[in-house]
Amino acid sequence: GDSVTQMEGPVTLSEEAFLTINCTYTATGYPSLFWYVQYPGEGLQLLLKATKADDKGSNKGFEATYRKETTSFHLEKGSVQVSDSAVYFCALSDRGGSARQLTFGSGTQLTVLP
Amino acid sequence: NAGVTQTPKFQVLKTGQSMTLQCAQDMNHNSMYWYRQDPGMGLRLIYYSASEGTTDKGEVPNGYNVSRLNKREFSLRLESAAPSQTSVYFCASSEDSWGGTQYFGPGTRLLVL
Repeated sequence: GDSVTQMEGPVTLSEEAFLTINCTYTATGYPSLFWYVQYPGEGLQLLLKATKADDKGSNKGFEATYRKETTSFHLEKGSVQVSDSAVYFCALSDRGGSARQLTFGSGTQLTVLP
Repeated sequence: NAGVTQTPKFQVLKTGQSMTLQCAQDMNHNSMYWYRQDPGMGLRLIYYSASEGTTDKGEVPNGYNVSRLNKREFSLRLESAAPSQTSVYFCASSEDSWGGTQYFGPGTRLLVL
């Protein structure tokens, strides 16, 4: 079945540091890939997405590129801020397999220190 | 435009009690979902409704029932709560049935004693 594997957390960085959160996936069909962010006490919000190979999703300085050859969708940001502290979830939606649901990774807690 | 709303925000139950979690969306979305979130396990799908009048089981449906009351509302019922159902529950909706971009509510934190 479909699965998403995320970098284990928690991750602690200083403000303005470079961020990478690794995400790899297994899917039977042709997935769309997502990064969701969850701020403390809130629901998940879509951060960015990519629907086909080599697409780059970007939002709020975050980027991720859909790499079919390595089945990866790593999240990056060049300079993190304290306000980026949150839990980040990688997810996939597989149109060719068991569609109609998102498969989530376990989440990565990011803390940014001033 | 409130998006996805959930009630209650927090609930404490005793083992064996029942309750219904309510969810409503005002985005005219066809599909709605119920997830539970447990530490270190991400979100797991309980039930979903691809369109009004249809519901299907997700990954962890045991102990739960759902009702798609109309296009806006999708409720989750625990008939006889168990401590293993202590979790945070999220409702979500999406425009299409292919599990694309989903919009989440703020969650309901449930504690079963």
